[in-house]
Amino acid sequence: ETGVTQSPTHLIKTRGQQVTLRCSSQSGHNTVSWYQQALGQGPQFIFQYYREEENGRGNFPPRFSGLQFPNYSSELNVNALELDDSALYLCASSRSQRDGNEQFFGPGTRLTVL
Amino acid sequence: GENVEQHPSTLSVQEGDSAVIKCTYSDSASNYFPWYKQELGKRPQLIIDIRSNVGEKKDQRIAVTLNKTAKHFSLHITETQPEDSAVYFCAASRAGGSYIPTFGRGTSLIVHP
Repeated sequence: ETGVTQSPTHLIKTRGQQVTLRCSSQSGHNTVSWYQQALGQGPQFIFQYYREEENGRGNFPPRFSGLQFPNYSSELNVNALELDDSALYLCASSRSQRDGNEQFFGPGTRLTVL
Repeated sequence: GENVEQHPSTLSVQEGDSAVIKCTYSDSASNYFPWYKQELGKRPQLIIDIRSNVGEKKDQRIAVTLNKTAKHFSLHITETQPEDSAVYFCAASRAGGSYIPTFGRGTSLIVHP
């Protein structure tokens, strides 16, 4: 096991609701990235946090937002949920955002929007 | 932005055969190319990576090659085993700057015993 944890494991919401997903990074890691993985697709990069600041963002609307805390854990918030937001949300932590250090993925949160 | 194409989408081989998965990328500034293995219902795990200053890297039965001029990189698995069956993803990114990795769509590798 890699040490990256996510909660909850599964979540069901309805359109228009808001959701918060949580990620605890591996010990010693200061960088957390969030990904959306639709069924049968590769992970799509949402954003990355390094030392509590956003460091890079993918092609996702502003209703996807995040936070990183002083202990380097992180939250992903999604407002005004849409059906297409249904996916596996993965977080990954790494030692630093530099040099392409290995990312360790968490088990993911499966979000279903009805 | 970066665009990563991965082929084939499905690859079926007999145990003991070799498997090759290919990816192309569009951004010549990309310099870090990891490969992930994702078993059904599990998280992606890094199996090998290569940086743009290296042309080839090998780790036991797994190797990756990179052609910067042609902007493509490949994963080679030799002596495949049933436990190699999984979905494999390539990715490309610029390490050291604002980090925006782009993943391929994945290759489902099936190794028949």
